[in-house]
Amino acid sequence: EDQVTQSPEALRLQEGESSSLNCSYTVSGLRGLFWYRQDPGKGPEFLFTLYSAGEEKEKERLKATLTKKESFLHITAPKPEDSATYLCAVQPGRDDKIIFGKGTRLHILP
Amino acid sequence: GAGVSQTPSNKVTEKGKYVELRCDPISGHTALYWYRQSLGQGPEFLIYFQGTGAADDSGLPNDRFFAVRPEGSVSTLKIQRTERGDSAVYLCASSSYLSDTQYFGPGTRLTVL
Repeated sequence: EDQVTQSPEALRLQEGESSSLNCSYTVSGLRGLFWYRQDPGKGPEFLFTLYSAGEEKEKERLKATLTKKESFLHITAPKPEDSATYLCAVQPGRDDKIIFGKGTRLHILP
Repeated sequence: GAGVSQTPSNKVTEKGKYVELRCDPISGHTALYWYRQSLGQGPEFLIYFQGTGAADDSGLPNDRFFAVRPEGSVSTLKIQRTERGDSAVYLCASSSYLSDTQYFGPGTRLTVL
């Protein structure tokens, strides 16, 4: 069964304190892995798509990496405005739908 | 428009009533998806359209849920005989034929009293 598990469920960091969020997945033939950011009361906002193991993508303070079993979202020197829920999702090779994890709630303290 | 839009943003209804939720995708996007998100959970797939046809409706929970996309653009999600358990945020997403990336709208928060 295709499955996505994110950890930790919640994370509190001081401003400037770097960390990583984990996304472990099992899927029949990975077509793509996606990271989204979701603010309260809003829809998910697209961040990255990764397609193959070893791939990395960066945007401002965020960097996403991918292996055959998991993906990491690294946050470098975060700011309070980075506080949000970060969602990981996978697209199985045979499907067009994507399967989401439950997300990691990130809170950056000033 | 610049992004996916959904109306209404909030809908409160009574148990047993019928509701319609509307999604307007990004112009030119051929694929459209509906998801449902409960509190503290990730979005859960409901149905996927490629053009006017439903290519995958395996996520619809039962036959009270139905969706249409008659002209290949705007889509309507229809829920009959609503139940309290239908309360959630209903999200719509669209993607182009050039990319697998799905872009989401702001969602409709449905509350069934």
